[in-house]
Amino acid sequence: DVKVTQSSRYLVKRTGEKVFLECVQDMDHENMFWYRQDPGLGLRLIYFSYDVKMKEKGDIPEGYSVSREKKERFSLILESASTNQTSMYLCASSPLGINNEQFFGPGTRLTVL
Amino acid sequence: AQSVTQPDIHITVSEGASLELRCNYSYGATPYLFWYVQSPGQGLQLLLKYFSGDTLVQGIKGFEAEFKRSQSSFNLRKPSVHWSDAAEYFCAVGGAGNMLTFGGGTRLMVKP
Repeated sequence: DVKVTQSSRYLVKRTGEKVFLECVQDMDHENMFWYRQDPGLGLRLIYFSYDVKMKEKGDIPEGYSVSREKKERFSLILESASTNQTSMYLCASSPLGINNEQFFGPGTRLTVL
Repeated sequence: AQSVTQPDIHITVSEGASLELRCNYSYGATPYLFWYVQSPGQGLQLLLKYFSGDTLVQGIKGFEAEFKRSQSSFNLRKPSVHWSDAAEYFCAVGGAGNMLTFGGGTRLMVKP
């Protein structure tokens, strides 16, 4: 089974802190994605990566950056956390190819105080 | 730009009753369509997908969906709902490339 793991299920940070969310997949997938999930808005794409050190902005990249130094790991970085970044963050991966199924991690619920 | 609308934010059905969740999409060419389910505290799991061919698609857990190009719809159905089906359901559309656009989700509650 494909497994996508996220470093924390719950995280509480203070405004202005630098926050790292880590995602690891074990199926050698080329593509990895970061979404945020908010009630009524569904999932919105923050960034995705199709290869090591490659990244593309999604629909809502402002306030976020990403890092992909190894194929299996994709990190989401909040340089200076703000209260409006309180949300559920979901990581996903998929193999190379057009619109293959994306496999999701369990999510990290981030609260910024 | 592609978009997905799920008109029903919440739906409540009785256990054993039939279910239909609506999904309307906007996309200029033939879309790739997906339904995912998110159980409480879990990530998203793929229920079924449509790429081409037969417009009635069978998925896991007894779900099916029908692609209707003329109505730009991809509604999810199940003939008899179980209490374990209570979850949030997301419809998604993909076009060229690897990115998906998700709808806002429909939360399903099941009455005993």
